[in-house]
Amino acid sequence: QVQLQESGPGLVKPSQTLSLTCTVSGGSITSAGYYWSWIRQHPGKGLEWIGYISYSGSIYYNPSLRGRVTISVVTSKNQFSLNLSSVTAADTAVYYCAREDDYGDYGTFDYWGQGTLVTVPS
Amino acid sequence: SSELTQDPAVSVALGQTVRITCQGDSLRSYYASWYQQKPGQAPVLVVFSKNKRPSGIPDRFSGSRSGNTASLTITGAQAEDEADYYCNSRDTNGYHPRVFGPGTKVTVL
Repeated sequence: QVQLQESGPGLVKPSQTLSLTCTVSGGSITSAGYYWSWIRQHPGKGLEWIGYISYSGSIYYNPSLRGRVTISVVTSKNQFSLNLSSVTAADTAVYYCAREDDYGDYGTFDYWGQGTLVTVPS
Repeated sequence: SSELTQDPAVSVALGQTVRITCQGDSLRSYYASWYQQKPGQAPVLVVFSKNKRPSGIPDRFSGSRSGNTASLTITGAQAEDEADYYCNSRDTNGYHPRVFGPGTKVTVL
């Protein structure tokens, strides 16, 4: 059973960098066909995809966040990370990491972390 | 286009059928996946592809697609189905960024 767990500070000061790590257990982060995503949810709002890193190391970011976001992987620890720079109160959200199973003409986020609330005070 | 649209809210009587729709140009090329989210919980995949369900998802959940519209149908809604439902697909641009619809709040009366 694959499990994902987010970790990182719950409070980040404005203009600083938000850093979160997702630890994957029960499966390898380099297993073919999987994309490892960060997704966030502003309080009371919908889901926003932030970006992914694939099993082969390819990376893609939501164009709306490009320039502030970096996703990286530490394969030896089976972890991937999110850095979001120059945060403001608008970045306050629950941040989820999730595994996407790629089927070509669609994908499924089949495993999710429990989510972690990150607050940026105004 | 990268946008998916959903009705904000729908209600259904206990035991009746409700259909939730998701519209977007990308759905002509990519199937939608559907996620159920209850308060304070992470989303859960309920339907994907033409009409597939992960193990453990009741068969009262079904999916379909026609043109640029994907649908999630709950046949015989139960009280525990009250939740937010999000569709997800891929944009047809570039490296196919993932896109979520704004969500539909389903209330079971």
